[in-house]
Amino acid sequence: GIQVEQSPPDLILQEGANSTLRCNFSDSVNNLQWFHQNPWGQLINLFYIPSGTKQNGRLSATTVATERYSLLYISSSQTTDSGVYFCAVERMGTYKYIFGTGTRLKVLA
Amino acid sequence: NAGVTQTPKFQVLKTGQSMTLQCAQDMNHNSMYWYRQDPGMGLRLIYYSASEGTTDKGEVPNGYNVSRLNKREFSLRLESAAPSQTSVYFCASSERSREPQHFGDGTRLSIL
Repeated sequence: GIQVEQSPPDLILQEGANSTLRCNFSDSVNNLQWFHQNPWGQLINLFYIPSGTKQNGRLSATTVATERYSLLYISSSQTTDSGVYFCAVERMGTYKYIFGTGTRLKVLA
Repeated sequence: NAGVTQTPKFQVLKTGQSMTLQCAQDMNHNSMYWYRQDPGMGLRLIYYSASEGTTDKGEVPNGYNVSRLNKREFSLRLESAAPSQTSVYFCASSERSREPQHFGDGTRLSIL
């Protein structure tokens, strides 16, 4: 089956720093989503991005489907950005999403 | 503006007991999903319903059954709970398949 790998697995930043999270996937996909799971366990949809680039405030994402990767950029990080970031890809020909194991981010004040 | 509501939030069961997890969405979405999340891992799809009246298996369907009761509600049933089913269960919905998914707050289930 399709493999979804996220890097780095853990990341510690000082408030105000920028970071790039990566998601690699092993096969062609229909769609890709990025999620943030906050320290209370709630999952928030950040981006629905099968291809191209999107921006939402301090966050932006780029997916290059032909090269099988996606990047999530966080600029001017804040302590509220802490949590786990997941990418999820939809396998071709299905409606089923496969999640990566996540990047755990901690932003220090 | 509730979004996706899951009940209960916490539950402890004994091995062999049965239980139904409830999920309801008020966004008029067509598609609904059940996932489980084990410690330190991403989410794994148990079952999904692309539209009212249809259900299909995900990655890890064994030991579970689902019912799409109507457009709003999608329940997950454990017929005979096992310790390996201890997990956090999330329900999600999307306007259609291949649209952004919105998640409930989860049900933390422990099976002794």
